[in-house]
Amino acid sequence: GEDVEQSLFLSVREGDSSVINCTYTDSSSTYLYWYKQEPGAGLQLLTYIFSNMDMKQDQRLTVLLNKKDKHLSLRIADTQTGDSAIYFCAESINTNAGKSTFGDGTTLTVKP
Amino acid sequence: DTGVSQDPRHKITKRGQNVTFRCDPISEHNRLYWYRQTLGQGPEFLTYFQNEAQLEKSRLLSDRFSAERPKGSFSTLEIQRTEQGDSAMYLCASSFSVSTGELFFGEGSRLTVL
Repeated sequence: GEDVEQSLFLSVREGDSSVINCTYTDSSSTYLYWYKQEPGAGLQLLTYIFSNMDMKQDQRLTVLLNKKDKHLSLRIADTQTGDSAIYFCAESINTNAGKSTFGDGTTLTVKP
Repeated sequence: DTGVSQDPRHKITKRGQNVTFRCDPISEHNRLYWYRQTLGQGPEFLTYFQNEAQLEKSRLLSDRFSAERPKGSFSTLEIQRTEQGDSAMYLCASSFSVSTGELFFGEGSRLTVL
């Protein structure tokens, strides 16, 4: 079945890089996503990666995918206090299948 | 604002009462999803619609829960005979079926059952 695991907490200093990790169990995952949730708000898609890619970069965000180990990471360069939020990893087996399965989120705290 | 909107944002009810939540998706999106999120956990899939057809329901969706999307636009999620365990944030999301599957979420409807 589908299962997505994340570490619960990460604390970094402003200006440092943050790396948030995720593991998933379903090898047939087609797309993997990172969502951000700020207090009192809904989830917002940050970035996604297709399963045939190893890396995707989007401004300060770098996503790395290791399909062999079923490991996904999100690196945030030059982390700012505004990056403090909960980050969710999610997978979708087939976009035609509709649903995504989410991890329990990593709370990122950025200290000034 | 053309994002996903949910109503009400907050609902406090007594155990045994019925509640209904409404979701208005992004207008050009043909898929609509309901998720439930409890404190410290990620969203759990409940059900989804493509246009007006309900294509999948989770085992989490007991027979006290019913969702509709009668005209393929807005959707309602009704919980009958609420229980304290139903207390959660109910999230609605929408997407376009021909896409990479990214979901656009509303801000959620928080249910508190006393």
